[in-house]
This record gives sequence, structure tokens and C-alpha cells, in this order.
Amino acid sequence: GAVVSQHPSWVICKSGTSVKIECRSLDFQATTMFWYRQFPKQSLMLMATSNEGSKATYEQGVEKDKFLINHASLTLSTLTVTSAHPEDSSFYICSATSSGGAYNEQFFGPGTRLTVL
Amino acid sequence: LAKTTQPISMDSYEGQEVNITCSHNNIATNDYITWYQQFPSQGPRFIIQGYKTKVTNEVASLFIPADRKSSTLSLPRVSLSDTAVYYCLVGDWVVSSGSARQLTFGSGTQLTVLP
Repeated sequence: GAVVSQHPSWVICKSGTSVKIECRSLDFQATTMFWYRQFPKQSLMLMATSNEGSKATYEQGVEKDKFLINHASLTLSTLTVTSAHPEDSSFYICSATSSGGAYNEQFFGPGTRLTVL
Repeated sequence: LAKTTQPISMDSYEGQEVNITCSHNNIATNDYITWYQQFPSQGPRFIIQGYKTKVTNEVASLFIPADRKSSTLSLPRVSLSDTAVYYCLVGDWVVSSGSARQLTFGSGTQLTVLP
């Protein structure tokens, strides 16, 4: 089946620093990737949708200048949390779909636990 | 924007059939219904997807009534390893002009399977 990886699996950083999270589709080409955030005991919240070679589309309330998304190739998307603060501590999950068409199944990565001190 | 409602938690015993219902009164014509399973500190795992009527695969069945305002995930014979949070997702990510309809995850149902 389709596999999506994330790196790192967990990261601890100091307040004010930037953190980059990578999302890779290992055995398929992902035309669309999604980034979610999940706080403890809560559901997944979609942050943004990224399409290879174009700018990401952010959901309402998500600061695009703080959460920089780059989808430079069909197998890699990156999320950079700039000037991270403790309230950005969360579980970040990416997913990928192999076609930009209809109701395609999303393949989720294992998630990245970000802790900002 | 289709908002979904699920029971917060359910308990079951090994070997029993479990049915989890998700309400999505504002589902749009193009929306599909997808169910995911999530274990702690892991990404969600796809279980099943459907548009209407009934869909069955090797692990579950999905029942969708004609009005599509709800859906029921049926797990035939649960085991301890099925203890997880189950999410229904309603949406459609037809991509045009670099955007996609918002995908709405429900609040999730914590299923606990007891021995």
C-alpha cells in the first residue's frame, strides 16, 4: 500500500526558533498533500492543502506566514513552523493523495510531535 | 461545511459487533464519507469509504441511508487491538485552482474493547 513518512517523528525546540517537518510519499507521486494539527484529546484540524508546484491553500485562522508550506516535488512537502512558541506545541500530521481528482483516499504519515519550550 | 457528530466513547467486548454512527446533516452532494482509525501518537489509518448505500471490505462495513445525513461504521468482531479512536471524515477534495474543499473530521469515538 501507499506509504507516507514524516521526519522528524518528534522535535523539541526553544521558543523563537523555526522547525521544519518533512512529509514524503515513498512509493507514489502525491499531487496533493494535506497538513493537519492535532492537540491532545482532540480531533485533527486541517491546516492547509498543498499542490505540487503551487502555493498552499490555508484554512481560515491558520497564519500562512507562520506555517510555511512548500511542495516542491511530487514526493515531498515541508511544513516550517517559524518563530515557534509554546502554543504551537502539537502533533502535526501530513497526508497525501495520489491524484488531484475526486474523492481519493488520503494516506497519512505517522505524525510529528512538536514541543516548544 | 459538513459538521459531523459522533459519540465520544463506546465500550465493547471481544468478539462482538460494534456499530459507530456519525451524523452529518449538512453533507454536500459531492461529499464522500470516510472512516479512519487512529492509535495514540500515530497518524490515522484508512478503514473504509462510501458515498451511498452499503460498502464492505475485509475489515468493516459502512452503511449510508438514502438521505446520507448519517453513516454507520460496523466492525464485525472486534478484538483488543481494535481499541482506538475512530473518526468519520466528510468532504470532497476536488482540486481546482490550487484549492480544495475543507475536510471535516468528526470529534472521534474512543472505542474500548474489553476482554
